[in-house]
Amino acid sequence: GAGVSQTPSNKVTEKGKYVELRCDPISGHTALYWYRQSLGQGPEFLIYFQGTGAADDSGLPNDRFFAVRPEGSVSTLKIQRTERGDSAVYLCASSPRSRVERGSPVYNEQFFGPGTRLTVL
Amino acid sequence: AQTVTQSQPEMSVQEAETVTLSCTYDTSESDYYLFWYKQPPSRQMILVIRQEAYKQQNATENRFSVNFQKAAKSFSLKISDSQLGDAAMYFCAYRSDAGGTSYGKLTFGQGTILTVHP
Repeated sequence: GAGVSQTPSNKVTEKGKYVELRCDPISGHTALYWYRQSLGQGPEFLIYFQGTGAADDSGLPNDRFFAVRPEGSVSTLKIQRTERGDSAVYLCASSPRSRVERGSPVYNEQFFGPGTRLTVL
Repeated sequence: AQTVTQSQPEMSVQEAETVTLSCTYDTSESDYYLFWYKQPPSRQMILVIRQEAYKQQNATENRFSVNFQKAAKSFSLKISDSQLGDAAMYFCAYRSDAGGTSYGKLTFGQGTILTVHP
């Protein structure tokens, strides 16, 4: 009955290093989203998975960012050659599926994890 | 692309009083959802209330209600009988319901910090 979990809670790394951030969605949720929240700002969309495939990666800022979800459950966000500007809170969310029909009594809420705070020194 | 604007960086309210947080958005779509999320210092994003654009009736959820003006593209949140636990950052968010590969993702505003004074 656990919610979305993210590890680590905090990550401090040095400029140029590689980091991996993990997201464990709610069991059975097929849709998974990554967002990035800079200090004092609203979250910004990075990538969306439907099952194992990335259905929309238009929010990834550049090719240093990559995300996978090989078995349709856990997802890992990978950042290569980190830069100080990558410092932010990275939020993960999951939902039962990506879409429901209009008027459906089932609502497709996104449930958020507590985020990983990444600090690049 | 859709944009969401929250023009109030900070708001404050006395406990038990009412406060209204403002949000405007820009879209060319007719089918979408609007949301208000609460984010306390724990960083956990919590859904407060949602509104389907095709519904004319304003959504309510206990002490929380919205004023949805579709033509004006305005979506304000009213918190009645404010409580100390309501203090948090509040985000307005937009979600397309138009289909395609981008449906599901949320577009957030910049947020409003709400302080509740005892």
